[in-house]
Amino acid sequence: GESVGLHLPTLSVQEGDNSIINCAYSNSASDYFIWYKQESGKGPQFIIDIRSNMDKRQGQRVTVLLNKTVKHLSLQIAATQPGDSAVYFCAENDSSYKLIFGSGTRLLVRP
Amino acid sequence: EPEVTQTPSHQVTQMGQEVILRCVPISNHLYFYWYRQILGQKVEFLVSFYNNEISEKSEIFDDQFSVERPDGSNFTLKIRSTKLEDSAMYFCASSESQGAREKLFFGSGTQLSVL
Repeated sequence: GESVGLHLPTLSVQEGDNSIINCAYSNSASDYFIWYKQESGKGPQFIIDIRSNMDKRQGQRVTVLLNKTVKHLSLQIAATQPGDSAVYFCAENDSSYKLIFGSGTRLLVRP
Repeated sequence: EPEVTQTPSHQVTQMGQEVILRCVPISNHLYFYWYRQILGQKVEFLVSFYNNEISEKSEIFDDQFSVERPDGSNFTLKIRSTKLEDSAMYFCASSESQGAREKLFFGSGTQLSVL
């Protein structure tokens, strides 16, 4: 989900469960989407990307789903681990030089 | 894995002072970027730089901001006269090709505090 200001939505999951983080994007012209992970005190770290000619892409333990009809993106993390705890951002691009980041979702993994 | 390095990690300055934030992008990368993140908010694009010139900039990147690649390894962001609202974490990023379409590597950021 999205948030306003200082209040990040938080997803709390049990270690070993699957996590699903959602993102709504706004620009119909965006055709490239990326998920980033940001740990405390660090810069965003690339996780996975997807182009608009695809609706699903899989990486190692992660899957990104794209629904262009409703402008929705999701990140699925399989068998969530404590090291997955971080803030996750989606970002979109419309062939310009810039990425537009979403507001972020905090993922907390309970041991 | 190669990484983007930024210095300093923290910078405290008085309002109206000039600051220079420094970045060493990954050595074979050609596209360079500055983004910023105000505490608790989204990461925002500031500027992209390629072939020694700005390729795109945002509304935030006004006349108080400038970027430079003074040599073959450094990439700097200068804020001429800092304002309180410039307080943020500033991230440098680089990519091998036209970066927003490819994997961007981000540095760990410089936390700028304007007092």
